[in-house]
Amino acid sequence: DAVMTQSPLSLPVTLGQPASISCRSSQSLVHSNGNTYLNWFHQRPGQSPRRLIYEVSKRDSGVPDRFSGSGSGTDFTLKISRVEAEDVGMYYCMQGSHWPYTFGQGTNLEIK
Amino acid sequence: EVQLVESGGGVVQPGGSLRLSCAASGFTFDDYAMHWVRQVPGKGLEWVSLINKNGGGIYYGESVKGRFTISRDNSKNSLYLEMNSLKTEDTALYYCTRDKMGSYEYWGQGTLVTVSS
Repeated sequence: DAVMTQSPLSLPVTLGQPASISCRSSQSLVHSNGNTYLNWFHQRPGQSPRRLIYEVSKRDSGVPDRFSGSGSGTDFTLKISRVEAEDVGMYYCMQGSHWPYTFGQGTNLEIK
Repeated sequence: EVQLVESGGGVVQPGGSLRLSCAASGFTFDDYAMHWVRQVPGKGLEWVSLINKNGGGIYYGESVKGRFTISRDNSKNSLYLEMNSLKTEDTALYYCTRDKMGSYEYWGQGTLVTVSS
């Protein structure tokens, strides 16, 4: 199975400041079809996960453009250009390139 | 609007059984593979099971293999998870999700399963 490792696990950020979360896979996430199925989800307390980013860098409809995804192969990053109060919660990366799909442990973003 | 509504959770004793359901609407159900994903309260996300569009391909996580059975009824736009021989470590919020291109585009609100004596 592809093991997904996120860092940091806890991320205190000042409002208006940038934030960055790393996600590393134990194997390349390039699918046999040439695509890379790396996703980012945000989960607020008491809510279901919401997808933010798919295929490394494609933002879902309604996701603010302060969120961006990048990376390739085994190393990926989610960046928030300016953190807002509504961004608090858990962030998970997930790979869908290899079976079974696997998640990172999660990163808890909180406001300082 | 795509909606996934899970039901069937509850409190059950170790060794007991429970059947979860997921009612899908707002999309052509039999065009998509469907998954169950679970989350222990306060913990991370764990994939549980997958069923492909027509039910011909079924997969399970190692922790539930042999105890859980996934199924679907495309005529009722519904997904199911039959859970037997439940253990305390199966206590979690169970989500129904829709698979598209290696991703979970939509999630339900989850149904809580508590295994406790």
